[in-house]
Amino acid sequence: ETGVTQTPRHLVMGMTNKKSLKCEQHLGHNAMYWYKQSAKKPLELMFVYSLEERVENNSVPSRFSPECPNSSHLFLHLHTLQPEDSALYLCASSQAGTLGYTFGSGTRLTVV
Amino acid sequence: GENVEQHPSTLSVQEGDSAVIKCTYSDSASNYFPWYKQELGKGPQLIIDIRSNVGEKKDQRIAVTLNKTAKHFSLHITETQPEDSAVYFCAVSNTGGFKTIFGAGTRLFVKA
Repeated sequence: ETGVTQTPRHLVMGMTNKKSLKCEQHLGHNAMYWYKQSAKKPLELMFVYSLEERVENNSVPSRFSPECPNSSHLFLHLHTLQPEDSALYLCASSQAGTLGYTFGSGTRLTVV
Repeated sequence: GENVEQHPSTLSVQEGDSAVIKCTYSDSASNYFPWYKQELGKGPQLIIDIRSNVGEKKDQRIAVTLNKTAKHFSLHITETQPEDSAVYFCAVSNTGGFKTIFGAGTRLFVKA
């Protein structure tokens, strides 16, 4: 374990479903991130939270909705997704000033 | 915005040989250059990083070199072992922001 825990590890959902991805970090970091990893594409930054405030929203469709209730937890709420949203969703955390990320193992999402 | 190119996309070496992965970037304001290793079923893991005021950094069999003038940096792995087989990502960011841009990745195969 890296200190960043993501649940669930795998998720299959229909296009009309609503589901949430959860990320928890036990490292005392003050920034958290959601990245999307698709086959044959670079890692895509989706959202950044610093001290529980969203500081980056990288033109992500509104069917993805992040929530950061405290510095240890980050959620990604999903609704009415499309098959092209199928990917590995990675959560990461960092401490301001150190810049290096600690990633979780990801949630493998399949939209059917 | 920042653009990061990474080469090669696939690299196959014999155990004991060296492996070199190269990245170029476009934004001269970038000043932090980490490398991540991603094994199957796991998230990326930070393995080494370098800041813009340093030209080279070593950690056992891994080294990173940076040429700020030419805007390129490289990862060198010596005496490769089968457990080095993974996908390696370069990344670029700067200490003023939260946005890290990743290269597309290099899949390294080390043949025993």
